[in-house]
Amino acid sequence: QLQLQESGPGLVKPSETLSLTCTVSGGSVSDSSYYWGWVRQPPGKALEWIGSIYYSGSTYYNPSLKRRVTISVDTSKNQFSLKLSSVTAADTAVYYCARHGAGYYYGPWGQGTLVTVSS
Amino acid sequence: DIQMTQSPSSLSASVGDRVTITCRASQSVSAYLNWYQQKPGKAPKLLIYATSSLQSGVPSRFSGSGSGTDFTLTINNLQPEDFATYYCQQSYSSPYTFGQGTKLEIK
Repeated sequence: QLQLQESGPGLVKPSETLSLTCTVSGGSVSDSSYYWGWVRQPPGKALEWIGSIYYSGSTYYNPSLKRRVTISVDTSKNQFSLKLSSVTAADTAVYYCARHGAGYYYGPWGQGTLVTVSS
Repeated sequence: DIQMTQSPSSLSASVGDRVTITCRASQSVSAYLNWYQQKPGKAPKLLIYATSSLQSGVPSRFSGSGSGTDFTLTINNLQPEDFATYYCQQSYSSPYTFGQGTKLEIK
């Protein structure tokens, strides 16, 4: 059974870079049938697509975040990662990693990790 | 960006009821419309993809319909475990946007 698990700091200072890793078990990030993505949810608000990556390294970003986002994949560790630079309080959210196919519908998801931006 | 608007924002219903949640897109998304269920403190769970295809393991009391800009999620014979927040999402064009959610509460 495919499982995804986010990891990374729960507190990031304003203007710094948020870094999260998603570890995949029960499946492979090298599976050519799927993409691997990040979605976030500010407290009490709706979901927002951040971006996705294919095992080959091709990336697809939300234009509103593109200037600050980098998603990478490490096939040797079966992980993919998110970096979001120059964070502000508006980036405080639960960050989820998830798998999707070419149809861009997400499942399964990781449990999510809360990242708070505060000094 | 394509804006997704759900109605109602919240809904009260009883076990055994049939409920319908509507999702409207600001422009046509063809049939590229997906539905998720989220319970408090949990990750979203995919229920329906491509408007009406039921994700494996999802009970058949969930169904979806629509096309273009107007879509519905219907839950027949509500069960206690169905009380949650539901989100629609368009996967027609980037950025892949979600609705604001519909919270289904017990009456």
